[in-house]
Amino acid sequence: EGQLVESGGGLVQPGGSLRLSCATSGFTLGDFGVHWVRQRPGKGLEWVAGISSNSANADYADSVRGRFTISRDNAKNSLYLQMNSLRPEDTALYFCAKEPYSEGIMKYYFDLWGQGALVTVSS
Amino acid sequence: DIQLTQSPSSLSASVGDRVTVTCRASQPVINYLNWYQQKPGYAPQLLIYSASSLQSGVPSRFRGSGSGTTFTLTISGLQLDDFATYYCQQSFVTPLTFGQGTRLEI
Repeated sequence: EGQLVESGGGLVQPGGSLRLSCATSGFTLGDFGVHWVRQRPGKGLEWVAGISSNSANADYADSVRGRFTISRDNAKNSLYLQMNSLRPEDTALYFCAKEPYSEGIMKYYFDLWGQGALVTVSS
Repeated sequence: DIQLTQSPSSLSASVGDRVTVTCRASQPVINYLNWYQQKPGYAPQLLIYSASSLQSGVPSRFRGSGSGTTFTLTISGLQLDDFATYYCQQSFVTPLTFGQGTRLEI
C-alpha cells in the first residue's frame, strides 16, 4: 500500500524559511501526482500545492503562491515543500498526500496520507 | 474558488443509527467530489471518490451519492469506529477545496 513520512517541521520566526520533506516507500513515486495539504490547529483541511508525476505541472493555493515551492525527486522517492516568507497564519500540520494511479493524468484527490509535520511560525 | 458547505457541522448519533451528511458546492463539480474521514491525531482517510465509488477497504456501510452541486455521505448501521470528522473535497478544479467538516459524535 505504501507509506509517506514527513519531516522538517519546527518553530520558525515570521519571515523565515523552512523546507519540508516527504519520504515515500512501498510504491513508485514517479507514477503518482502528490500534494501538500495543511490543517491549522483545530481547523479544517486546506490544500496547499500539488505536482504531477513528471514535475511538468505544479499548482498552488493563492495563499501560498509566490512563497512556497513544491518539488519532487522521483529517484529519491521524495517530495518537498520549500516555504519562504512564512507568516503566523502558516502555522499548521502539513500533510503530504498521494493521488491514486492514473497513467500521468492528475486525479486531484488523495488515497494515501502521511501523519504530518508541524510547522509553527511565531516570534 | 469553489466553496463547499457541509451540513450539519456537527451531529450526535448512536451506534446502529443511519446518518447523512450533505455537501453543497457553490458551482457544479459534476461528480468530482470525494469524502474523507479523520479521527483526532490521525491523517484523513479516503472513503468515497468520484461521488459514489467506495475506496478499497472501506466498509460498505458508507455510501456516497449526488452530482452537480449537491452530494451526500450516508453511513448505515453506525459503529463506534465511525465517530470522527468527515470532510468533502472537490477535485474538479484547482484550487482544490474542502468542506469545513462534519463532526460525528455520540
